[in-house]
Amino acid sequence: GQNIDQPTEMTATEGAIVQINCTYQTSGFNGLFWYQQHAGEAPTFLSYNVLDGLEEKGRFSSFLSRSKGYSYLLLKELQMKDSASYLCAVGETDSWGKLQFGAGTQVVVTP
Amino acid sequence: DAGVIQSPRHEVTEMGQEVTLRCKPISGHDYLFWYRQTMMRGLELLIYFNNNVPIDDSGMPEDRFSAKMPNASFSTLKIQPSEPRDSAVYFCASSPVGGSGANVLTFGAGSRLTVL
Repeated sequence: GQNIDQPTEMTATEGAIVQINCTYQTSGFNGLFWYQQHAGEAPTFLSYNVLDGLEEKGRFSSFLSRSKGYSYLLLKELQMKDSASYLCAVGETDSWGKLQFGAGTQVVVTP
Repeated sequence: DAGVIQSPRHEVTEMGQEVTLRCKPISGHDYLFWYRQTMMRGLELLIYFNNNVPIDDSGMPEDRFSAKMPNASFSTLKIQPSEPRDSAVYFCASSPVGGSGANVLTFGAGSRLTVL
């Protein structure tokens, strides 16, 4: 099984940087995913890490440390449209298709 | 591609009634997932299929829930009888076979179920 922890809510100002941390405990690990979910909408894929290190995609970056069971999502140059819930999800080795999601971190961007 | 298509988008029913939710995955995607999302429990995996075969249904709450995938382009999630605690948003998602290792899910818009 898996246990995934992330903060409930974070608030930041437009143009700033926010880092969302995610820690996990898993019996088998097959990748760490970040999804974005706007209110009333479906989750959409943001990033994927399977090896240690940083993956950068424009304003968004994701980092993984497998030995520490730790990941973070970094959002730079925040825009109002970035206000959303950010979900950390872990894939399992013994069940390739299966993703376990964290509860999500609500990011509120203020002017 | 039109993406993952779910219907109905909203359903309001009374306790005890049967509810059927429908999903059409993206063409060519071999995996189909049913998730349920509530404020209290977040996004929970109910069941998933690979090539129309159920692989893991350990998340299905109880016998009142059943899911089928009769062919590669259609799946149903049925609740019979429904109860107020089943009220949630039910998401269907699909993903392609994972040759590269990255199981990227594409979600449908969801079916919001309210059981009175």
